[in-house]
Amino acid sequence: DAKTTQPNSMESNEEEPVHLPCNHSTISGTDYIHWYRQLPSQGPEYVIHGLTSNVNNRMASLAIAEDRKSSTLILHRATLRDAAVYYCILRDKQAGTALIFGKGTTLSVSS
Amino acid sequence: ETGVTQSPTHLIKTRGQQVTLRCSSQSGHNTVSWYQQALGQGPQFIFQYYREEENGRGNFPPRFSGLQFPNYSSELNVNALELDDSALYLCASSSLAKNIQYFGAGTRLSVL
Repeated sequence: DAKTTQPNSMESNEEEPVHLPCNHSTISGTDYIHWYRQLPSQGPEYVIHGLTSNVNNRMASLAIAEDRKSSTLILHRATLRDAAVYYCILRDKQAGTALIFGKGTTLSVSS
Repeated sequence: ETGVTQSPTHLIKTRGQQVTLRCSSQSGHNTVSWYQQALGQGPQFIFQYYREEENGRGNFPPRFSGLQFPNYSSELNVNALELDDSALYLCASSSLAKNIQYFGAGTRLSVL
């Protein structure tokens, strides 16, 4: 799987939007961009994924650059519960492959 | 629909012992993956089982082994425990139809 680069940490205030960047300059045409997050003392949980177009779901939005070499996870209004480690992961379109985690971005949210 | 459950939640073993960790996959999921997460690191892939057969393995020695049962639950076995095996062990289930993995809360293993 191709490598991703994320900032080690980011800070946000409650109820403000958060933009979490991810660089993946070696992404291949068949790689999906997945985001997972891991809250303290829990296993990772799926957030969102996309291939080329921007995606929205109840948790977040995913903005994908036109050249697909970078993407941004957007939390529209951060809450204290969003404090977690966020992982950006590339996965081949073939289902069933393992997730290759990096160190992710630790998001802190202040009230 | 029940989620992924792992047992036990915590475990303490001594070096050289053997340990078995268990995972019940989410209803309808036929694929189980195991990960090891050291403190401060992202999870590292150990292996994956699909329909009771190993279907991929990460860079872990043979003393890490597993099983998947007909009901798709799974076990992770670690022999000859080493101090560096102390970690959070995560199980994730998925179906090949959907490329999303659902994780349990993990088993925290401490090797003394």
